[in-house]
Amino acid sequence: GAVVSQHPSWVICKSGTSVKIECRSLDFQATTMFWYRQFPKQSLMLMATSNEGSKATYEQGVEKDKFLINHASLTLSTLTVTSAHPEDSSFYICSARGGLAGGPANTGELFFGEGSRLTVL
Amino acid sequence: AQSVTQLGSHVSVSEGALVLLRCNYSSSVPPYLFWYVQYPNQGLQLLLKYTSAATLVKGINGFEAEFKKSETSFHLTKPSAHMSDAAEYFCAVSGGGGFKTIFGAGTRLFVKA
Repeated sequence: GAVVSQHPSWVICKSGTSVKIECRSLDFQATTMFWYRQFPKQSLMLMATSNEGSKATYEQGVEKDKFLINHASLTLSTLTVTSAHPEDSSFYICSARGGLAGGPANTGELFFGEGSRLTVL
Repeated sequence: AQSVTQLGSHVSVSEGALVLLRCNYSSSVPPYLFWYVQYPNQGLQLLLKYTSAATLVKGINGFEAEFKKSETSFHLTKPSAHMSDAAEYFCAVSGGGGFKTIFGAGTRLFVKA
């Protein structure tokens, strides 16, 4: 149980285009999902907290107009990188937290997607 | 406030040797503690977690960790390293509930044949 799927795994796009990454909790409902960015050989950098039915909460220094997050349902959050540039190339990872009835308890344990490698040419 | 410190960004062991990855935490509330493993180009996978039950926690792939409140530590060990254990390991702390999960900087484990 507690499976999170992220799509696409790899994406290459041209500079100036927008890219959407999906994060789905497959077997549980998640009111809260998190989006991270990971640079090579570094830890995860929390970009934003995605809350179902409300606006995402962005970490300091993260451009909310650049990285659009939508959490329209209890099983789906999306990250759209708008007008992508080469410096946006990175590994993006989503995670979900439990806490709703019928799903995993909210102990702070996070269930991670497989990650999405974005390359902007 | 919570924080995590992983001692050693790189650890190298021989195959069959003991693996010890160190993690110290600070937390203003009773902590939940986690170890995650990350293989190249993949997300993070939970190895084990401490959620206020037994202080010695056993996880997958032969790993275990011991919660030591007096030392504010949660070190990860495995008696005998295998080549497949080579990966990045992250220690994390949370207060549960509405607290964020805070990650350490990570420790890359190398296993030599």
